[in-house]
Order: sequence, then structure tokens, then C-alpha cells
Amino acid sequence: QLQLQESGPGLVKPSETLSLTCTVSGGSISSSNYYWGWIRQPPAKGLEWIGTIYYSGTTYYNPSLKSRVTISVDTSKNQFSLKLSSVTAADTAVYYCVSSGSYFHFDYWGQGTLVTVSS
Amino acid sequence: QSALTQPPSASGSPGQSVTISCTGTSSDVGGYNYVSWYQQHPGKAPKVMIYEVSKRPSGVPDRFSGSKSGNTASLTVSGLQAEDEADYYCSSYAGNNNLVFGGGTKLTVL
Repeated sequence: QLQLQESGPGLVKPSETLSLTCTVSGGSISSSNYYWGWIRQPPAKGLEWIGTIYYSGTTYYNPSLKSRVTISVDTSKNQFSLKLSSVTAADTAVYYCVSSGSYFHFDYWGQGTLVTVSS
Repeated sequence: QSALTQPPSASGSPGQSVTISCTGTSSDVGGYNYVSWYQQHPGKAPKVMIYEVSKRPSGVPDRFSGSKSGNTASLTVSGLQAEDEADYYCSSYAGNNNLVFGGGTKLTVL
């Protein structure tokens, strides 16, 4: 059973880069069995897919965020990460790391971490 | 504004059935059989209840069922129970490796 845990700063200043890490346990991030991704949820709002990475390193991003997003994998630490540049208050949200054996839905979720963008 | 349209709220009494709709276009819901539904209780991470329109993951009660007609997908919860009270989100593949969500529906068990 996969378990995911997000970590990173809870407060980021406007125009800076948001950086989060997801630590995976119960499975290998190098496995071809899984896709790894990020989803966010602004306070009291709905879910938004940010992007997905496959074990091969192939990435897929939400077109509306693509210019600011980078998702990468660190196989030595069994982690994957999210970087979102040039953040504004609109990027304030709970960020979830997710995984699945399918690209099209998400079976495993981290508990989520709130990131606030404020000076 | 979300790509998929859901009613903001739905309700039903214990034991009744409730259906939540998720309307998209021929470029997402109508074009692919990759609609999924998520349940989210307050302060918790979402949980997948239905995937590929009508498939249930192991452990999800068979009271939950999914269907699709044209550009609209539906989640039906039969035999409503108090613990079904939650927010529900639909999601669909939208082509070009893009995934979109609905705005969410708050289900109240009266």
C-alpha cells in the first residue's frame, strides 16, 4: 500500500518559487507501475490538476500552469517534487501529492499541505 | 471557473438515492471513458469512488455507481447513509494529456 507525504515551506513570498517534496513509502518511485502527480485546492474551492510524471521522467502539465511548473523525480530518495515559479496569492492552496497505476485517475493521496503566498 | 459543471449542492434522506451530474463537452466527458469521481470529507484528502465512468475500486461500497450519457456523467449514491455526507468532485480526461475537474457538489444527508 503506497503512502505519500508532502513536505515544504508553508509560506512563500509573492514572485518567489514554491517548492514541495513528496516522500513515497510502500513502493518504488522507479516502478513502471505508477504515475506520480500534484493536485491543489484553494481554500473553500475545487480541485485543480497541476501535473504528472512517469517513472521514465516524462512529464505532463496543466496547460494553464505549464509555463511555471516543473515536476521531477529523485530516485535516490524515493521522492518527487513540485516547483511553481512566480507565485501570487492565487497560488495559495492545499497541495496534494498523488499516485496511481493509471494516468486518468488518482488512487493514492498524501494528506495535503497548505501553502500560503503572502509577503 | 471549472471545466466541468456540477450542481453546487444535492441532498437526500437516509435510505434514499441521490444522483449528482457532471456536464462537460465532447472534448472531455463525451469524448473519453475516463471519468472519475472523488469523495472528500472536511479536512481530508479526496478518495476515488469511481473510475473509468463506472468502475469501483476495491473497498468502495456498491451503493456508489457511475454512468455516462453523451457529455454528462453521473454519480448515484443509493441507500444514503450519514457518512456519505461530503463533497464530491468529478474529473475527466480532456485530451492532449490534460485532466480537468468539476467545481464540486456538497451532498447533504438530511
